[in-house]
Amino acid sequence: EDQVTQSPEALRLQEGESSSLNCSYTVSGLRGLFWYRQDPGKGPEFLFTLYSAGEEKEKERLKATLTKKESFLHITAPKPEDSATYLCAVQVGGSYIPTFGRGTSLIVHP
Amino acid sequence: DGGITQSPKYLFRKEGQNVTLSCEQNLNHDAMYWYRQDPGQGLRLIYYSQIVNDFQKGDIAEGYSVSREKKESFPLTVTSAQKNPTAFYLCASSMPGLNSPLHFGNGTRLTVT
Repeated sequence: EDQVTQSPEALRLQEGESSSLNCSYTVSGLRGLFWYRQDPGKGPEFLFTLYSAGEEKEKERLKATLTKKESFLHITAPKPEDSATYLCAVQVGGSYIPTFGRGTSLIVHP
Repeated sequence: DGGITQSPKYLFRKEGQNVTLSCEQNLNHDAMYWYRQDPGQGLRLIYYSQIVNDFQKGDIAEGYSVSREKKESFPLTVTSAQKNPTAFYLCASSMPGLNSPLHFGNGTRLTVT
């Protein structure tokens, strides 16, 4: 059973249509939750780290939030260049090895 | 600029041959990792190393081997024992410790026929 579940698997938006991506986790003892962006044929690029429930971080059109069970990546007024796969990962307990979700593939149409 | 370099970007091999993927970093990070990425799957950990001359198996180490003779380098060998080697391989590094994000290279796509 996956410890980190991302939904939806794929999301298509029109330019300017705001939406949210979800990352839910079943692990206990969360140390940190990470969001990455991955473009086709490239390695993931780090976006945010969230440490505790209630924390929020923003970067341009992206805003990440964290609760005790899930994290959301809110995309406000997306542009076609926001099209990518967004990956979520968690660090648990004393291990610094992150566990990754399967990602959400986002396509923003002009 | 600091970063992680993986080479080559594309690699083609015949079944039964061993192949080595290169990963070099100049970020002065102690920890390095190898992941495999398949369509529809998350990143799966193959091997990781926290320090020179030491490495640990990840979730899917069978059919793979690594070495860590230098801090900057962490090559991955895909052996003929790996039953399904065709995949996208990602190398990453980080400062050891909690809450340190991974920095990734741009991957090597290996095709074995």
